[in-house]
Amino acid sequence: DGGITQSPKYLFRKEGQNVTLSCEQNLNHDAMYWYRQDPGQGLRLIYYSQIVNDFQKGDIAEGYSVSREKKESFPLTVTSAQKNPTAFYLCASSPGANQPQHFGDGTRLSIL
Amino acid sequence: GENVEQHPSTLSVQEGDSAVIKCTYSDSASNYFPWYKQELGKRPQLIIDIRSNVGEKKDQRIAVTLNKTAKHFSLHITETQPEDSAVYFCAASPTSGYNKLIFGAGTRLAVHP
Repeated sequence: DGGITQSPKYLFRKEGQNVTLSCEQNLNHDAMYWYRQDPGQGLRLIYYSQIVNDFQKGDIAEGYSVSREKKESFPLTVTSAQKNPTAFYLCASSPGANQPQHFGDGTRLSIL
Repeated sequence: GENVEQHPSTLSVQEGDSAVIKCTYSDSASNYFPWYKQELGKRPQLIIDIRSNVGEKKDQRIAVTLNKTAKHFSLHITETQPEDSAVYFCAASPTSGYNKLIFGAGTRLAVHP
């Protein structure tokens, strides 16, 4: 879906380093989401935001932080407190309740 | 807590056969149920969805059925083709958390020529 852009595609993190994953959407969607996917696993919700300047923790928020200063942007920071950050990170957006979520192409994060 | 269980975890069929994947949800007030297809290393893509006021929905070779009483819904793929091989995820919208989705663990479908 060309409406959601995630960058970078691949990211490497050093010990003790914070890294930020970018997610931008031009679909004018109110809601945005971050998921983590481990190999052979389903999607687990990290954080979500229904509106600008507001966000809620998902099921696995520890070690992560987000901001929603603009409607089109929802960056995710993986902090040094996240001891096992290696995973595939997916960003999604949705126009509202009970509407489909559209996903970006993902960022694959690995530890150096 | 809120939970979606998905079965089977792997499914292998011959080309032309039908495939059925089943999901059970825990929140009886859930009212939106999408299905996503994810090819290796790619983004999940919505293939079909159903809302609680409908019992069945079809789109060409794909259909979804919903049984609200039993709290389960199923994906049916007919006349399977090798390009249907992928991981399929079901999801349900819980009442806690506006527009959240709870995903099942996924089903890896392999269609053999």
